[in-house]
Amino acid sequence: DIQLTQSPSFLSASVGDRVTISCRAGQDIGTYLAWYQQKPGKAPKLLIFGASALQSGVPSRFSGSGSGTEFTLTITYVQPEDFATYYCQQVNSYPPTFGPGTKVDI
Amino acid sequence: EVQLVESGGGVVQPGGSLRLSCEASGFNFNMYWMAWVRQSPEKGLEWVASIKQDASERWYVESVKGRFTISRDNAKNSLSLQMHSLTAEDTGVYYCARDPYPPPSHCDFWGQGTLVTVSS
Repeated sequence: DIQLTQSPSFLSASVGDRVTISCRAGQDIGTYLAWYQQKPGKAPKLLIFGASALQSGVPSRFSGSGSGTEFTLTITYVQPEDFATYYCQQVNSYPPTFGPGTKVDI
Repeated sequence: EVQLVESGGGVVQPGGSLRLSCEASGFNFNMYWMAWVRQSPEKGLEWVASIKQDASERWYVESVKGRFTISRDNAKNSLSLQMHSLTAEDTGVYYCARDPYPPPSHCDFWGQGTLVTVSS
């Protein structure tokens, strides 16, 4: 199985900050990476797929980049509703696997 | 509006069985692969199984092969997960999700989840 690591595990931010979350894959996965946002008690919500494609309805302050083994999720001008846990997922090969998550808190 | 509503979770003893259901609406159910994904504090998010539009292909994570069966009824827009020989490792919130592409795929819509607790 392809292992994903995320850094940091936790970060503290203020409204208006620029936030960057990293995801590293254990092997080359091309651009087969998705990012999700999850709030407490809720299901994950798809933000980004194909490493950089914005899911319909997701605000443009979210962006994704990277390929191969190194990926980044960036939130420009963090808003109060963005405080949540973020997960990356590789869909290059079976089984699809998720990173451990990054909690973004105030 | 795409909606996925899971049901069937509960408390079950080790070795027991449980059947989860998911009712889909707001999209052409028979045009999509569907999946189950679970989440626990210990293991995080874990893809469990996926099923093709016509049920001719089913994929499972290794840890549930031979114990879980994913199925669907396109006439009723419903997805199911039959679980047998449950262990504590199967405890978690189970989400029904839609796969917009053939597997492996990200999931573009998720249900609210149903909690399965395996405990004596």
